[in-house]
Amino acid sequence: QKEVEQNSGPLSVPEGAIASLNCTYSDRGSQSFFWYRQYSGKSPELIMSIYSNGDKEDGRFTAQLNKASQYVSLLIRDSQPSDSATYLCAAQNYGGSQGNLIFGKGTKLSVKP
Amino acid sequence: DVKVTQSSRYLVKRTGEKVFLECVQDMDHENMFWYRQDPGLGLRLIYFSYDVKMKEKGDIPEGYSVSREKKERFSLILESASTNQTSMYLCASGWRGRDGYTFGSGTRLTVV
Repeated sequence: QKEVEQNSGPLSVPEGAIASLNCTYSDRGSQSFFWYRQYSGKSPELIMSIYSNGDKEDGRFTAQLNKASQYVSLLIRDSQPSDSATYLCAAQNYGGSQGNLIFGKGTKLSVKP
Repeated sequence: DVKVTQSSRYLVKRTGEKVFLECVQDMDHENMFWYRQDPGLGLRLIYFSYDVKMKEKGDIPEGYSVSREKKERFSLILESASTNQTSMYLCASGWRGRDGYTFGSGTRLTVV
C-alpha cells in the first residue's frame, strides 16, 4: 500500500517564525511531489511542486526533497496568521495507477498573532 | 487560470434519492478525479477517469458510479443516497505528468 505520512498537528507557531512541515512517502518510485494548502471549508490549493533533490524556493515558501530518505518538507518563513490552514503533501509515480497523486492526511498549522 | 467548476456548493438530499454531482474543467485535462473528504480520514479517491468513456475505481467506489461522456465533464452519481455519504465531495483535474491537480470548490452534501 503506497502511503504518504504527515503529522496531523496542530503545529502552532508565533507570527514571524518559521513553520516546518514534514512528510514521508513509501513509494520509492515517486517522482513528483506537491504541497497543497487547504483553508477550513475550502478546497485544496496547489502552492508548491518539487521534482529534484534539494530545495526549491517561491517567495516565503521553500520545498525540500530528499529521495534517499523519502522525505519532503515545506518551510514557511515569516509565518502570518493567514498561513493558518491544513497543508497536504502528495506524491506522484508516473508509472503507477495512471500517475495518480497519493495524498497525506494533512498537517494543521496555526500561526498565532 | 485553470477552472474546475462543481455545479453545487451545498446540497441536501433525502435517503434513497439518486444524486448527481457535476464537474467541468476548461483546460482539456486528460485526467479527472472524484474524492470525498471527511474529518480525520483525509482525501479518499472514489473514481477517476483518464479519457472519455474511461473510468477506474479508486479506494472507495461502493455506492457510487461515474460518467465521462465528454472530456471536460465528469459526473459522480450516488445511485441511492445514504446518510453515510454525507461528506465534502471534491473534483480535481490534471495532466498525467508534473503539474499536480486543480481542485474544484467542492460540494458539501448532506443526506437526511
